[in-house]
Amino acid sequence: GNSVTQMEGPVTLSEEAFLTINCTYTATGYPSLFWYVQYPGEGLQLLLKATKADDKGSNKGFEATYRKETTSFHLEKGSVQVSDSAVYFCALTANSGGSNYKLTFGKGTLLTVNP
Amino acid sequence: NAGVTQTPKFRILKIGQSMTLQCTQDMNHNYMYWYRQDPGMGLKLIYYSVGAGITDKGEVPNGYNVSRSTTEDFPLRLELAAPSQTSVYFCASIRQQGGNSPLHFGNGTRLTVT
Repeated sequence: GNSVTQMEGPVTLSEEAFLTINCTYTATGYPSLFWYVQYPGEGLQLLLKATKADDKGSNKGFEATYRKETTSFHLEKGSVQVSDSAVYFCALTANSGGSNYKLTFGKGTLLTVNP
Repeated sequence: NAGVTQTPKFRILKIGQSMTLQCTQDMNHNYMYWYRQDPGMGLKLIYYSVGAGITDKGEVPNGYNVSRSTTEDFPLRLELAAPSQTSVYFCASIRQQGGNSPLHFGNGTRLTVT
């Protein structure tokens, strides 16, 4: 079956520090990969996505590259801000074999950025 | 657009009570989902629906029921609440099957069963 493994948190950084949150996956077929972000008290919202190998998703200064050879989709940001404090989820969907569209989520990584 | 709306935001139930978590979306999305989020466990799929009148079980359906009588609404029913159902519940929707479209999430319902 499909699975997503992401680095466990919590991660605590100072403002302007470099961020990496690791994510690796196992999937049948050709998955699409996503990073979702959850701010306190809110639902998840899409941060970025990549739908095929070597694609780079980017948004709000965050980036992640779809690496098929290492089955990875690590999230990076060069300079984090206090407002980036949230829980980050790596996710995938794979529509092989006619299965219905369902996302598989990692466990989430809590990021706290201090001023 | 309101997007995906969940009610209530918070609820405390006693063991054995029942309740319905409401979810409605105004985006004419075909696919709708219910997830539960437990600390450190990510999101687990409870039930999903690919259109009005069609529902199917996800990873953790026991203790829950759903219905989809309209495209807009996808209520989740707990018949006999148990402490193990203490969680945050999220409803989500997407227009159609495919790898490029994001899920739209509601803001969640925090349920405590004591």
